Amino acid sequence: RKEVEQDPGPFNVPEGATVAFNCTYSNSASQSFFWYRQDCRKEPKLLMSVYSSGNEDGRFTAQLNRASQYISLLIRDSKLSDSATYLCVLRQGSGGYQKVTFGTGTKLQVIP
Amino acid sequence: IAGITQAPTSQILAAGRRMTLRCTQDMRHNAMYWYRQDLGLGLRLIHYSNTAGTTGKGEVPDGYSVSRANTDDFPLTLASAVPSQTSVYFCASSEGQGMRYGYTFGSGTRLTVV
Repeated sequence: RKEVEQDPGPFNVPEGATVAFNCTYSNSASQSFFWYRQDCRKEPKLLMSVYSSGNEDGRFTAQLNRASQYISLLIRDSKLSDSATYLCVLRQGSGGYQKVTFGTGTKLQVIP
Repeated sequence: IAGITQAPTSQILAAGRRMTLRCTQDMRHNAMYWYRQDLGLGLRLIHYSNTAGTTGKGEVPDGYSVSRANTDDFPLTLASAVPSQTSVYFCASSEGQGMRYGYTFGSGTRLTVV
């Protein structure tokens, strides 16, 4: 089983729709979780961290479910500019070398 | 503008040639990283450096070497390029170790080895 699994998509949604992605992970020792956004042929950029209690940033909501070992990203009122690939990222360990694992990403295409 | 600069942006390289990918940051971040990104495989760590003067191996270090002579620069060298090293290479930095502080990525180098 892969350490991190994401549905590659693409998710094709109309403007204004709500869309959600999940990311499952296999190592229960994973400590920190993040969502990154990557536009086509560009570098990844941090979208938001994911906290145990869930967190929201404008139209974006991130959730963590440790019992079922997945994180989710909800995007409300989708904009054309939300079209991108969304990477989930996990961190394990503390001090010294911390292992960071990137998912392969879920592609979102918002359609006019 | 503060950030990470990578050079070159893209390169076509003959197999067997040596090449150094440059990475410079002006944020005074302690930790720096080199990743490669291949379709269907996601980002994989090649080498990292937690602070100037130290380096470590990541997930896929074979065929690559790095140095960290100062805080700002973290070059990646391919001693003798092979076609399997065709990839997009991203340099990244973080204020502290690991992902606690989030990563800032450079814009990448697209390398094709023929």
